[in-house]
Amino acid sequence: SAVISQKPSRDICQRGTSLTIQCQVDSQVTMMFWYRQQPGQSLTLIATANQGSEATYESGFVIDKFPISRPNLTFSTLTVSNMSPEDSSIYLCSVERTAGYTFGSGTRLTVV
Amino acid sequence: GQQVMQIPQYQHVQEGEDFTTYCNSSTTLSNIQWYKQRPGGHPVFLIQLVKSGEVKKQKRLTFQFGEAKKNSSLHITATQTTDVGTYFCAGAAGNKLTFGGGTRVLVKP
Repeated sequence: SAVISQKPSRDICQRGTSLTIQCQVDSQVTMMFWYRQQPGQSLTLIATANQGSEATYESGFVIDKFPISRPNLTFSTLTVSNMSPEDSSIYLCSVERTAGYTFGSGTRLTVV
Repeated sequence: GQQVMQIPQYQHVQEGEDFTTYCNSSTTLSNIQWYKQRPGGHPVFLIQLVKSGEVKKQKRLTFQFGEAKKNSSLHITATQTTDVGTYFCAGAAGNKLTFGGGTRVLVKP
């Protein structure tokens, strides 16, 4: 199955700042998915990132807050902008496989 | 929008006992997937069910997909301490995967 390298694995950030999370996949994929997992909660899809086009955002998530880049078929970034403590979560990227999805190891973000 | 509900939210199991977690979707699914997330880890794919009424087994884990393709279950027999974690079902409709709330499993030795 695919190997996804996600970084940083964790960070503590000041409110009002931004953090960019990177995901590198070991093979080319059409779509990459970004999820948020709030403490003790399930996974919520933020957006789908397609190479060569704008990301598609789910209800409740906007590009100004979570800008996404997808410069090629193996890489994507998610930026959490103008952070507040409510953004403290685990952020995960994911790609679809023949069966199921593979997830990156996650970025544990704490906003203080 | 599509909703996926999972019960129970927590499952405290004595080592060696069996338990079942259930998943229900508000809409018909093209497939249902199950994931396990260990404490501090990320979700790891376990299995995908596609056909109505499908049953699949992985060692002590038995997965079922309902006839209407709207519900699923995961049954674990002879629970071991290695089964600790949160089990998520995720319903697929098109390219979108919607996760259930998860069942957090705690094993009492």
